[in-house]
Amino acid sequence: SQTIHQWPATLVQPVGSPLSLECTVEGTSNPNLYWYRQAAGRGLQLLFYSVGIGQISSEVPQNLSASRPQDRQFILSSKKLLLSDSGFYLCAWSRQMVADQPQHFGDGTRLSIL
Amino acid sequence: QQPVQSPQAVILREGEDAVINCSSSKALYSVHWYRQKHGEAPVFLMILLKGGEQKGHEKISASFNEKKQQSSLYLTASQLSYSGTYFCGTVHNTDKLIFGTGTRLQVFP
Repeated sequence: SQTIHQWPATLVQPVGSPLSLECTVEGTSNPNLYWYRQAAGRGLQLLFYSVGIGQISSEVPQNLSASRPQDRQFILSSKKLLLSDSGFYLCAWSRQMVADQPQHFGDGTRLSIL
Repeated sequence: QQPVQSPQAVILREGEDAVINCSSSKALYSVHWYRQKHGEAPVFLMILLKGGEQKGHEKISASFNEKKQQSSLYLTASQLSYSGTYFCGTVHNTDKLIFGTGTRLQVFP
């Protein structure tokens, strides 16, 4: 069966510090991978998605970036965090063909910027 | 083109029914439904493909009206475990999934 791992579960960072969140998927190959952010009490905002190694699509201009160095690894990074970067970050995967395939989410990282 | 959900919030007693609606301004290829409990990740419920089909999951079912670009989620005889925020997600032209505004459902004993 497929599993998705995301870490860390919680993170407290000062403004201006760098960020690296990692997500890995097991039990499947060539998945679509996604990074979402959710502000408190709000909906899910798609940040990045990837259909293959090295292929990243950005949805929202910001100080975040994503990379996919391996087939089942997706990394979210920032060089300098802003207060507005606080939120719940979720990684998800799906099989190719978004329309008829569910997305499966990791447990998320709760990021607080001080 | 974020889909709009209504109502924004629902409060129920156990055993009552509820309907959550999801409307899009663009033609839909499919609609997804997810439930997110407080502090947790969203969990997939079901997908409806264009063609006006209905689907069921336990006592939760959904319909998809392609012409009206709408989907509805039906929760029958609600249980305490149904509490959470429900999100629809819409797919246009087999592109990425766009999540809706969310509907918070609270079920009380």
